[in-house]
Amino acid sequence: AQSVTQLDSQVPVFEEAPVELRCNYSSSVSVYLFWYVQYPNQGLQLLLKYLSGSTLVKGINGFEAEFNKSQTSFHLRKPSVHISDTAEYFCAVTLYSSASKIIFGSGTRLSIRP
Amino acid sequence: GAVVSQHPSRVICKSGTSVKIECRSLDFQATTMFWYRQFPKKSLMLMATSNEGSKATYEQGVEKDKFLINHASLTLSTLTVTSAHPEDSSFYICSARGQIAYEQYFGPGTRLTVT
Repeated sequence: AQSVTQLDSQVPVFEEAPVELRCNYSSSVSVYLFWYVQYPNQGLQLLLKYLSGSTLVKGINGFEAEFNKSQTSFHLRKPSVHISDTAEYFCAVTLYSSASKIIFGSGTRLSIRP
Repeated sequence: GAVVSQHPSRVICKSGTSVKIECRSLDFQATTMFWYRQFPKKSLMLMATSNEGSKATYEQGVEKDKFLINHASLTLSTLTVTSAHPEDSSFYICSARGQIAYEQYFGPGTRLTVT
């Protein structure tokens, strides 16, 4: 079975500082990896995804993530955050299968301090 | 492209009544739609998977008689919470999958409050 672990439930950061949100996954087969963002009282928006190829993936809003197969990690980074980045961030995986469900991590709340 | 809408965005109902939530894929055909429930400050919990024209597949622990799902067309799925109780109050989110198997597009969510 697949699982996703987001170790940090909350990450407070000062505005314009860099940030890294950690994500580790567990799977015996190949998976696709995703990061989603959820603003208050809204649905989920896809930030970026890793399917194959280059391990460094760039997404929207200046975010990027690096797939590390040996460490089974897919950490999300941004070099300089803004107040508008305050949101909940979810790491997720799905199998290489048309019928596959998305399995979400528990989420990390990113709060930006001015 | 790939827009999913939900209606209503918020609903308040009395205990014992039923509530229907609609999920529509606006610009693509969704062969599969998913329904999630999200508790405050928690992750999304998959409730069920619905395929157009067939019965929904419910996750373990989800009451199929309480949460009725209908996927009558390739652009519409509905979730009906029957005989709602205060403990059913939650944020319900749907997602839709089109031709690309690994991509799901999420609706904006419906906040249900049962009084």
